[in-house]
Amino acid sequence: QKEVEQNSGPLSVPEGAIASLNCTYSDRGSQSFFWYRQYSGKSPELIMSIYSNGDKEDGRFTAQLNKASQYVSLLIRDSQPSDSATYLCAVILTNNDMRFGAGTRLTVKP
Amino acid sequence: SAVISQKPSRDICQRGTSLTIQCQVDSQVTMMFWYRQQPGQSLTLIATANQGSEATYESGFVIDKFPISRPNLTFSTLTVSNMSPEDSSIYLCSVEVAIGQGPGGYTFGSGTRLTVV
Repeated sequence: QKEVEQNSGPLSVPEGAIASLNCTYSDRGSQSFFWYRQYSGKSPELIMSIYSNGDKEDGRFTAQLNKASQYVSLLIRDSQPSDSATYLCAVILTNNDMRFGAGTRLTVKP
Repeated sequence: SAVISQKPSRDICQRGTSLTIQCQVDSQVTMMFWYRQQPGQSLTLIATANQGSEATYESGFVIDKFPISRPNLTFSTLTVSNMSPEDSSIYLCSVEVAIGQGPGGYTFGSGTRLTVV
């Protein structure tokens, strides 16, 4: 089992819709979780962090964490074409190493 | 958050040669991380560089192939030695940034796109 798993996509949503990106992790002791956005040809950019069960909202972005299910998600409301990118889930393992998922490619169609 | 200047941004190299990638951070940081991102894939940690000690390499990466220097708290280099086409990839350096309540995420340099021919 991979340490961090994401659906590779591509995920395509119409402009204005909600995009839902999912991630599961294998290390039950993990406590810190992150979402990065990576535009084509660019380096990853940190957009969200979450440490506690529940929801964390930042503008149009909501991160959701369920440690019992070892599941973290990112919702993007009112999706815009500028949100088209690859979204990487990252988890800090109990040995303090950070591991990245393979990423989900999101396309928002005008 | 920290700003990282990474260079070169890209290079095309002959097999058997070496390339040194540099990262300069605008603030002092304890650890710097070197990642590789192969086409269409996610990030793989190569090594962690601490100032004043040898770098710690991940499984599958060795010092002879990827020597790292960390002469001070703001600078690090990664050398890709004796290159082969399989080394063609994007190489990224990163540092941890404080977010607030918990461990920080990472900020990344702009990356070095390496093509070995």
